[in-house]
Amino acid sequence: GENVEQHPSTLSVQEGDSAVIKCTYSDSASNYFPWYKQELGKGPQLIIDIRSNVGEKKDQRIAVTLNKTAKHFSLHITETQPEDSAVYFCAASASGIKAAGNKLTFGGGTRVLVKP
Amino acid sequence: DSGVTQTPKHLITATGQRVTLRCSPRSGDLSVYWYQQSLDQGLQFLIQYYNGEERAKGNILERFSAQQFPDLHSELNLSSLELGDSALYFCASSVEGDTEAFFGQGTRLTVV
Repeated sequence: GENVEQHPSTLSVQEGDSAVIKCTYSDSASNYFPWYKQELGKGPQLIIDIRSNVGEKKDQRIAVTLNKTAKHFSLHITETQPEDSAVYFCAASASGIKAAGNKLTFGGGTRVLVKP
Repeated sequence: DSGVTQTPKHLITATGQRVTLRCSPRSGDLSVYWYQQSLDQGLQFLIQYYNGEERAKGNILERFSAQQFPDLHSELNLSSLELGDSALYFCASSVEGDTEAFFGQGTRLTVV
């Protein structure tokens, strides 16, 4: 089955700096890669996603890049703010394949701390 | 607010007992997913239902079962509970079976 590795497990950045989180996946059939932000006591919140036919996607201060050949994808947060402090999860799935449904395989998470 | 509603928010029960967790998906969503989040295992996929039928199964224990009802809400039943079942249980929903999933706030289960 799919295996998703996520690094680093913790990340401390100064406010205004950039943060980068990297994930690798093992199943070449995976074609959908979402990123979730989880704040304390809350459920994971979808912040951005990318599909395998796209190499990069941006949404304001957040961007995600995908390298299908190397089987890795990354989340980039620019101009970090204290409210960006949370745990971030990458995930992968082989969506559209009936037998697999759309189950998400998650990375282990990255705890991001933005210091004012 | 994702629009996915889970009840109860917290549940404390004893070993050997049985509990039922409930999930109401976002309006219009046909797919419901259940995930377990524990400190040592991270977020693990349990099971998916699409329009009332089981669509995919993950590492769900035989003591656990789920169903999706005609009104599309779903229930996760956990029986013969063990201390190790203590975790956060999340429900997520999506419009179709292969699009972005939105998570509820979770049910924190504590088995004592």
